Amino acid sequence: ETGVTQSPTHLIKTRGQQVTLRCSSQSGHNTVSWYQQALGQGPQFIFQYYREEENGRGNFPPRFSGLQFPNYSSELNVNALELDDSALYLCASSLLGGSGNTIYFGEGSWLTVV
Amino acid sequence: GNSVTQMEGPVTLSEEAFLTINCTYTATGYPSLFWYVQYPGEGLQLLLKATKADDKGSNKGFEATYRKETTSFHLEKGSVQVSDSAVYFCALSDRNNQGGKLIFGQGTELSVKP
Repeated sequence: ETGVTQSPTHLIKTRGQQVTLRCSSQSGHNTVSWYQQALGQGPQFIFQYYREEENGRGNFPPRFSGLQFPNYSSELNVNALELDDSALYLCASSLLGGSGNTIYFGEGSWLTVV
Repeated sequence: GNSVTQMEGPVTLSEEAFLTINCTYTATGYPSLFWYVQYPGEGLQLLLKATKADDKGSNKGFEATYRKETTSFHLEKGSVQVSDSAVYFCALSDRNNQGGKLIFGQGTELSVKP
């Protein structure tokens, strides 16, 4: 149990729709990152949030956006869904500035776009 | 840029066999190195980590040594069990980033037969 919780666990959306995924960070962590894991692949970094600001972004288009709230929980929003957006979306929390550099993942949200 | 390369799977072993999963990396500076495990239908769990050269990470009988001279972080276990069946991911983190952005290999599926 990592203390990182995500919702929903599974969802199905239609191409062109929008989706919001949610994440609650581990207690005491101030940084949240989001990853996309396509079937049979390793996770790909989408972006990271620290102190409610984007703090690094991977190679994903602007229709992928996020928010971090004062309690360090976070949302991932994806607009204009495409079939290739079907994947497991993983949230990870960590403590920026802390020692050990350990990153903990949630169980993920499975998104299917039809 | 930074990258991680793992040996391709699937790897199929009999119970109590010796396991090695190879991982090599390309990175500037001195990254931290990780092994994560993903059981079917679940998120990622941190298995072990090493933050500097010659460090050995270990957990649940698994070990990996950070080899700067060969840019490697191979995962080993002396005697695997059926319950070790999962996908294993090698990853690195830019130390300057201090967490959040991980670069993953493509994963190696391990299947252990009774």
